[in-house]
Amino acid sequence: KAGVTQTPRYLIKTRGQQVTLSCSPISGHRSVSWYQQTPGQGLQFLFEYFSETQRNKGNFPGRFSGRQFSNSRSEMNVSTLELGDSALYLCASDVSGANVLTFGAGSRLTVL
Amino acid sequence: DAKTTQPTSMDCAEGRAANLPCNHSTISGNEYVYWYRQIHSQGPQYIIHGLKNNETNEMASLIITEDRKSSTLILPHATLRDTAVYYCIVASFGGSARQLTFGSGTQLTVLP
Repeated sequence: KAGVTQTPRYLIKTRGQQVTLSCSPISGHRSVSWYQQTPGQGLQFLFEYFSETQRNKGNFPGRFSGRQFSNSRSEMNVSTLELGDSALYLCASDVSGANVLTFGAGSRLTVL
Repeated sequence: DAKTTQPTSMDCAEGRAANLPCNHSTISGNEYVYWYRQIHSQGPQYIIHGLKNNETNEMASLIITEDRKSSTLILPHATLRDTAVYYCIVASFGGSARQLTFGSGTQLTVLP
């Protein structure tokens, strides 16, 4: 059974650009969550999607957005990138009722 | 803010049991105790979770005190591959919430 797949694994952007990250959950998982991990702030919750609807959001500015498609795949977008957005972005999926998140390997974003 | 307190770091000899403590004195009745670990720059890996009874799986055992204010994760025979940051998290997945609040975790180093 394939795990949570995140693409791209590594990317470099410059300030002011935007970036889109993709997450394919485990087959059958309908909930997808996104987390940001930085050395200073640790792992922080960004948002969660279920059945194409955002149903929970963390304390991040509006530059961070996401969406979920009908096949449960999810994308997150960060606009007007800042140096502080450099981080490991992690996606996790969950099958309703199991209450166990399975994380992907992450997308490491470097903003120059 | 994280609702758990863990030691910053611990060492354990290879082959010995690793006992990782966690305090969660403000845990609510419907909140579970979850343990995840993160090996450097990878996504967090689920280990085990429990509500009030002790739990065991192929990876570890979870001992929760009767008052549920603290717990201990036990890795029965630690190996070098168990070197990682271990996160203790309390969370409720009731309703629509699929959010984990990570603290700083415990850096476990297994020594040869």
